[in-house]
Amino acid sequence: DAKTTQPTSMDCAEGRAANLPCNHSTISGNEYVYWYRQIHSQGPQYIIHGLKNNETNEMASLIITEDRKSSTLILPHATLRDTAVYYCIVRVLLGDYKLSFGAGTTVTVRA
Amino acid sequence: GAGVSQSPSNKVTEKGKDVELRCDPISGHTALYWYRQRLGQGLEFLIYFQGNSAPDKSGLPSDRFSAERTGESVSTLTIQRTQQEDSAVYLCASSFTTGGTEAFFGQGTRLTVV
Repeated sequence: DAKTTQPTSMDCAEGRAANLPCNHSTISGNEYVYWYRQIHSQGPQYIIHGLKNNETNEMASLIITEDRKSSTLILPHATLRDTAVYYCIVRVLLGDYKLSFGAGTTVTVRA
Repeated sequence: GAGVSQSPSNKVTEKGKDVELRCDPISGHTALYWYRQRLGQGLEFLIYFQGNSAPDKSGLPSDRFSAERTGESVSTLTIQRTQQEDSAVYLCASSFTTGGTEAFFGQGTRLTVV
């Protein structure tokens, strides 16, 4: 049961912002939005997570709509090293233990 | 260590042989997870440990798969009588709590059954 929907792929120009959308229309009030990425031949890497407020860290920003049915991950200045598969995951903060990965979005940053 | 360590990084085995994959989690992390990723596919949850116990083994594909964890540290995933469909990257992750914080992943063990 897919809880999130993401585009299959997207291209981004190096140095520009990359905006990655995610739909999670069935999200519950106690579920958080997590983002991970997986660079080729590596294990997944945590990026950011949020509940309803926008969040920012050294890697990215997370914008969550007011109704929480969708969100956008923003990589402010994409580099070639940001080429990866990006996963949007919905998860309860406490009591759940799985990270259920979907197909994600394959992001290709081009010079 | 600084991160989750998995060994071996690569393993080639003959069909029918048993293999053991090892995961050393980040020190102090009580939760440990195993995932499988077939070529070109997403991550498939296998099993998770809270301490040394495994509350959920529902993701293990068959009774040929088993896992254990000792001392709230090292975990081993054992695959008996390997089949070609077992070929995949096996990823281990650990976290401080089951749900509260992010999970950190190892680099995985690439298993090839020939």
